[in-house]
Amino acid sequence: EIVLTQSPGILSLSPGERATLSCRTSQTVTSTYLVWYQQKPGQAPRLLIYGASSRATGIPDRFSGSGSGTDFTLTISRLEPEDFAVYYCQQYGSSLRTFGQGTKLEIK
Amino acid sequence: EVHLLQSGGGSVRPGGSLRLSCAASGFTFSSYAMSWVRQAPGKGLEWVSATTGSSTATYYADSVKGRFTISRDNSENTLYLQMNSLRVEDTAVYYCAKGYNYGEDWGQGTLVTVSS
Repeated sequence: EIVLTQSPGILSLSPGERATLSCRTSQTVTSTYLVWYQQKPGQAPRLLIYGASSRATGIPDRFSGSGSGTDFTLTISRLEPEDFAVYYCQQYGSSLRTFGQGTKLEIK
Repeated sequence: EVHLLQSGGGSVRPGGSLRLSCAASGFTFSSYAMSWVRQAPGKGLEWVSATTGSSTATYYADSVKGRFTISRDNSENTLYLQMNSLRVEDTAVYYCAKGYNYGEDWGQGTLVTVSS
């Protein structure tokens, strides 16, 4: 099983600031097989990034993904009030699809 | 616009059964793989099961293998999850999602509570 470790667990920032979220995998994951989701309370997850760096349909360009191998990053360039949520990474490089434990992005 | 409308779920005693449904619209259902993902209360996400568009291949997490069955009716644009021998640890919100490897679009979720 590929374990995904997200850091930090909680990130406290203000609107307008830059957010950098990390996802580390226990084994090398082909970049194509790494995605990011956003989840707000009481809502289903929403796909943000697929293939490590491609934005899903309708996702603002302030969201960007990068990384390769075992280190992946989600960056939000300038935080908007609606961006405060929990973010999950997920891999499907192995037959067992696994998620990170999530990073909660909260308003400072 | 893709729309996934879930139904089913509820409360059941350990050892019981439930069937979840997910009615799809806004895309050619038979052309897409579909999946189920769950989230225990206050916890993270867990991929449960997936099936290809024609049901030729299926995937199950070890935690549900042999107890849960994923199926679909392409004539009705509906995805199902039959859950048998339910355990307390199966308590979660269950989401259907479009896609086999990751969720492109998601249903609204339905709560399954297994408790004595």
